[in-house]
Amino acid sequence: GAGVSQSPSNKVTEKGKDVELRCDPISGHTALYWYRQSLGQGLEFLIYFQGNSAPDKSGLPSDRFSAERTGGSVSTLTIQRTQQEDSAVYLCASSPGSPAGELFFGEGSRLTVL
Amino acid sequence: RKEVEQDPGPFNVPEGATVAFNCTYSNSASQSFFWYRQDCRKEPKLLMSVYSSGNEDGRFTAQLNRASQYISLLIRDSKLSDSATYLCVVRNDKIIFGKGTRLHILP
Repeated sequence: GAGVSQSPSNKVTEKGKDVELRCDPISGHTALYWYRQSLGQGLEFLIYFQGNSAPDKSGLPSDRFSAERTGGSVSTLTIQRTQQEDSAVYLCASSPGSPAGELFFGEGSRLTVL
Repeated sequence: RKEVEQDPGPFNVPEGATVAFNCTYSNSASQSFFWYRQDCRKEPKLLMSVYSSGNEDGRFTAQLNRASQYISLLIRDSKLSDSATYLCVVRNDKIIFGKGTRLHILP
């Protein structure tokens, strides 16, 4: 389809392991966002990429979290040495990038850290 | 003051009734405003943008009050399928989501 694609849809890992979550945005969208949503909670901003500009990493909760976006398209969110409090749904969204542009979300990657 | 604040609810409303939510924002320089809908265990989806002049889409009306820094969403003739969490979204140099207002439409 032409929507935002995220993988894996579900990931169960053991505490201390590293995980990588992938986001494939809508083609041509210059802006890409990562959010985290814990059960019953609101969306927590993590990181924002806009074109070739330096990403806004102000929402990353610790240095265990990092993200990159290669070639202005696919993005990978990496969580090192996972902790139980990292368990959440990680949502990726892309946008055309204009000030009024709508965000289009993927279905999310549900991470469970045992 | 939080950047975007919403009443978390839940609002329990009988089918057919009218319900309204407000959302306040703290940054007076905010440029764009939206209402998103999120169903249980699903991703958020755009419900409607909010324009300065107010806008209507079927049973849904959105309004912006810049002076008081709030936006509103009015749902008329509510349906069971309107049950969801409604997220207020404000955009300035970043996009900020409110924590959402839960709505339950009762048969």
